[in-house]
Amino acid sequence: SQTIHQWPATLVQPVGSPLSLECTVEGTSNPNLYWYRQAAGRGLQLLFYSVGIGQISSEVPQNLSASRPQDRQFILSSKKLLLSDSGFYLCAWSRQGLNYGYTFGSGTRLTVV
Amino acid sequence: QKEVEQNSGPLSVPEGAIASLNCTYSDRGSQSFFWYRQYSGKSPELIMSIYSNGDKEDGRFTAQLNKASQYVSLLIRDSQPSDSATYLCAVTPPGGSYIPTFGRGTSLIVHP
Repeated sequence: SQTIHQWPATLVQPVGSPLSLECTVEGTSNPNLYWYRQAAGRGLQLLFYSVGIGQISSEVPQNLSASRPQDRQFILSSKKLLLSDSGFYLCAWSRQGLNYGYTFGSGTRLTVV
Repeated sequence: QKEVEQNSGPLSVPEGAIASLNCTYSDRGSQSFFWYRQYSGKSPELIMSIYSNGDKEDGRFTAQLNKASQYVSLLIRDSQPSDSATYLCAVTPPGGSYIPTFGRGTSLIVHP
């Protein structure tokens, strides 16, 4: 069976510090991978998605970046965090193709102070 | 612009009742429709998918799709307090990216 791992679960970081969130998927190959952010009381905002190694599409060109160094690994990074980066970060995967929903990781709650 | 609209709620129903959650979408030609359940502080979980007009049943859950009216709904029969959560509707538009648009969710409260 397929599983998705995301860590850390909770993170408190000062403004201006770097960020690295990691997500890995097991039990499948060539998944589509996604990073979403969910701010308090708001909907899911797609940040990045990837259909293959090294292929990253950005939906929100801010101070965040993403990388996919391996087929089942997806990393979200920032060089300098802003207060507005606080939120619930979710990694998700789906199979290639149209009619498949997402499986989400357990999420990382980031608070920038 | 692609839009998926949901009433934010909260929708409050008594235990054992039918909860009806609704979602409308703007992009005619949308192809895939999903319902996710999100408990407070947790990540969303896929509970239903539907692709054709009509009803699709899975246990206590029924998804209903009407493409002509651009409307998708989720019915929860025999609602339980454990069904209390936010329900997100997601719609995949036509085109090649297959990236769904999510609604903001409807909060459901099932009271004993």
